[in-house]
Amino acid sequence: DVKVTQSSRYLVKRTGEKVFLECVQDMDHENMFWYRQDPGLGLRLIYFSYDVKMKEKGDIPEGYSVSREKKERFSLILESASTNQTSMYLCASSMFGSEGYTFGSGTRLTVV
Amino acid sequence: AQTVTQSQPEMSVQEAETVTLSCTYDTSESDYYLFWYKQPPSRQMILVIRQEAYKQQNATENRFSVNFQKAAKSFSLKISDSQLGDAAMYFCAFNTDKLIFGTGTRLQVFP
Repeated sequence: DVKVTQSSRYLVKRTGEKVFLECVQDMDHENMFWYRQDPGLGLRLIYFSYDVKMKEKGDIPEGYSVSREKKERFSLILESASTNQTSMYLCASSMFGSEGYTFGSGTRLTVV
Repeated sequence: AQTVTQSQPEMSVQEAETVTLSCTYDTSESDYYLFWYKQPPSRQMILVIRQEAYKQQNATENRFSVNFQKAAKSFSLKISDSQLGDAAMYFCAFNTDKLIFGTGTRLQVFP
């Protein structure tokens, strides 16, 4: 089975800190995605990547950046965390979008 | 813009009964894929069922089935013989080049 692993289940950071959320998948998937989940808003796409060193903005990229140096790893970076970035962050990967995505179990980030 | 709408923030059902969750979407594409995902309290997103837009036959996976109406852009999920373990958030999603999600429906199952 494909596994997508997010390094932290819960994270508490201070306003202004630089935050790294790490995601690793173990099935050689080409495509990786970062979503943010908020109550009443569903999942919103932050950034995605179809290949190593490649990145594309999703629907809500402001305040975020990403890094994909290796195929299996896709990192989400909050350059200067703010309280409005308190949320659940979900990483996903896929080989073919037609098959759906495989998700990690999420990182609940609280910025204080 | 492509959008997915789930108009029922919350639904409830009695154990062993049937419940239908609604989903509509908007797109100008003719070839796409539709999905229902389940998110239990563990937060793990689980793919429940998948539908290819070019197939007229409605997808079925055990107790889960869909009613896909392409002209109406409707994709509802029917859960038969509901079980306590079906309690979760359910998300409808649409894919052409990336997955777009609805806002979710929280399903409660009562014994």
